[in-house]
Amino acid sequence: SYLLTQPPSMSVAPGQTARIPCEGHDIEAKSVHWYQQRPGQAPVLVVFDDSDRPSGIPERLSGSNSGNTATLTISRVEAGDEADYYCQVWDDTTEQYVFGTGTQVAVL
Amino acid sequence: QVQLVESGGGVVQPGRSLRLSCAASGFILGTSGLHWVRQAPGKGLEWVGVISSDGDSHHYAEALKGRFTISRDNSENTLFLQMNGLRAEDTAVYYCAIARDSYAYVWGQGTLVTVSP
Repeated sequence: SYLLTQPPSMSVAPGQTARIPCEGHDIEAKSVHWYQQRPGQAPVLVVFDDSDRPSGIPERLSGSNSGNTATLTISRVEAGDEADYYCQVWDDTTEQYVFGTGTQVAVL
Repeated sequence: QVQLVESGGGVVQPGRSLRLSCAASGFILGTSGLHWVRQAPGKGLEWVGVISSDGDSHHYAEALKGRFTISRDNSENTLFLQMNGLRAEDTAVYYCAIARDSYAYVWGQGTLVTVSP
């Protein structure tokens, strides 16, 4: 089965930039989507198709995808960005939706 | 405003069955595929399965095939998840979500299922 690996956690100071990697074999051949899950809340889609944002998501959140790594970048980090972040792809070989292992972002 | 509301969760004994529902408002469910996703306490997201807009096509997580079944009633604007032979490891919050292309773009708030003697 297709695996997506993320670092379990990271810390970032307010105003700095957080870069959350999502590693998968030849992931650049797939469309990668990202979800934000604040404590006690349901997930929210923040990036789809590698780098597009749903309406209402600030431009500070952006995505990229190259080689074996997709990245969610959060610029000018704010306290409200403290959350778990998950990447996700559709694996057409197995016909399965696959979520990454998740990254907990702490704002110092 | 699109809203999804899950219901039917609770405490159930191992080996028993449970059916979850997901009702939509502000949106006609029959126009979209629908996912179920679960999250065990303190763990990450796990995809359960997806059903097509007309209900004719399904895909399930390999580990759950045969025990879980997704269905829908478009006339009632409702999605269902039938769970049989429940195990302790099925304890989780279960979310429904509207499918768009290869992602889930609107999620419900979830319903908690606890499998315990």
